[in-house]
Amino acid sequence: SQQGEEDPQALSIQEGENATMNCSYKTSINNLQWYRQNSGRGLVHLILIRSNEREKHSGRLRVTLDTSKKSSSLLITASRAADTASYFCATDYGPKGGSEKLVFGKGTKLTVNP
Amino acid sequence: NAGVTQTPKFRVLKTGQSMTLLCAQDMNHEYMYWYRQDPGMGLRLIHYSVGEGTTAKGEVPDGYNVSRLKKKQNFLLGLESAAPSQTSVYFCASRDSRDYVLRELFFGEGSRLTVL
Repeated sequence: SQQGEEDPQALSIQEGENATMNCSYKTSINNLQWYRQNSGRGLVHLILIRSNEREKHSGRLRVTLDTSKKSSSLLITASRAADTASYFCATDYGPKGGSEKLVFGKGTKLTVNP
Repeated sequence: NAGVTQTPKFRVLKTGQSMTLLCAQDMNHEYMYWYRQDPGMGLRLIHYSVGEGTTAKGEVPDGYNVSRLKKKQNFLLGLESAAPSQTSVYFCASRDSRDYVLRELFFGEGSRLTVL
């Protein structure tokens, strides 16, 4: 069964607004990663947050992690039409140092309207 | 900068036919993965390999076989007797086993398979 579950399943916003996507998971993790997938393309890695980190930034992306609630959020600030894509969280829940595999959630489909 | 290359990109099969998807990466990564992506289901791991000559089952391995040949850059996914339930988009990914910091997966562009 899948480890991560994104919420909402779909999100539609206007250009310039912020977009927030959430991910909940079931068991303890080593790290959590966010990926982006443009329509008809492969996934591209965005950012990784480790279990001992609470917040991380990369450009217009901000990721938070709350291990007590087993949840993470991805915030995209000042969204652009080019941010339209599906966003997936992936959890690495293996032994210390990480496992060989990631488990992906079902994704949030973000539409940014110009 | 090829990265991860999958062939073919599209294929239509009839029920019972067999086929092989090829994944090749030029980054000298040890770890390679096959995922399938279905609407509303996200990505599910089929099989993976942590090195040349080794393979392991993922979440949904039934109906698939894999091989990681001596040329470790290649990872093959085989369907011996295709079924309509295997209609999906298949993604190959790879990762550097030595990278204990980033641990990110690099994905191919996908292979869209339709089984009639």
